[in-house]
Amino acid sequence: SYVLTQSPSVSVAPGRTAKITCGGNNIGTKSVHWYQKKAGQAPVLVIFYDSDRPSGIPERFSGSTSGNTATLTISRVEAEDEADYYCQVWDSTQNHGVFGGGTKLTVL
Amino acid sequence: QVTLKESGPVLLKPTETLTLTCTVSGFSLSRTSMGVSWIRQPPGGALEWLAHIFSTDDKSYSASLKNRLTISKDSSKSQVVLTLTDMAPVDAGTYFCARKQDFASGSFDYWGQGTLVAVSS
Repeated sequence: SYVLTQSPSVSVAPGRTAKITCGGNNIGTKSVHWYQKKAGQAPVLVIFYDSDRPSGIPERFSGSTSGNTATLTISRVEAEDEADYYCQVWDSTQNHGVFGGGTKLTVL
Repeated sequence: QVTLKESGPVLLKPTETLTLTCTVSGFSLSRTSMGVSWIRQPPGGALEWLAHIFSTDDKSYSASLKNRLTISKDSSKSQVVLTLTDMAPVDAGTYFCARKQDFASGSFDYWGQGTLVAVSS
């Protein structure tokens, strides 16, 4: 089955740039989506189709994919961005949803 | 306005069967190319995809839980139902339903607020 690998944690100071990566075999050939998850709340889609932003998501959030890595970049990080972030793809060969293990973003 | 809302029991005993209902509004479960997935998160753990039902009524299941899961829908009631048999403490957590377009590459664009399930004797 398809596996997505994320680093458990990333720390960044306010105003700096955070990069959260998601590794998967030839992930560049798949559509990658990113979700923000805060405790006690439902996940929120922040990036879809690798790099598109839903309405209402700040332009500070951007995404990219290349080779075996997808990256979520948060520019000018704010305290409210502190959350867990999950990457997700759909494994078409098995018709399954797949989530990464999540990355906890800490704003110092 | 698209909304999804989960409902079901808060506490189950080991070996019991969990039945959860996702009631949707703002889109049709049959007349649009939209499906619904169930996703769960154990306490302190990661999101885990469980099952999906397509607008065509096709279904797909997590390989590790396939033998215990059933997903179904009643389009007239705008409801998607998930059952998980033989519940154990490791199945405790928050269960979410989420909307996804039928084509494979679509994202989960709308989510319910989740329902917390505990398993204890």
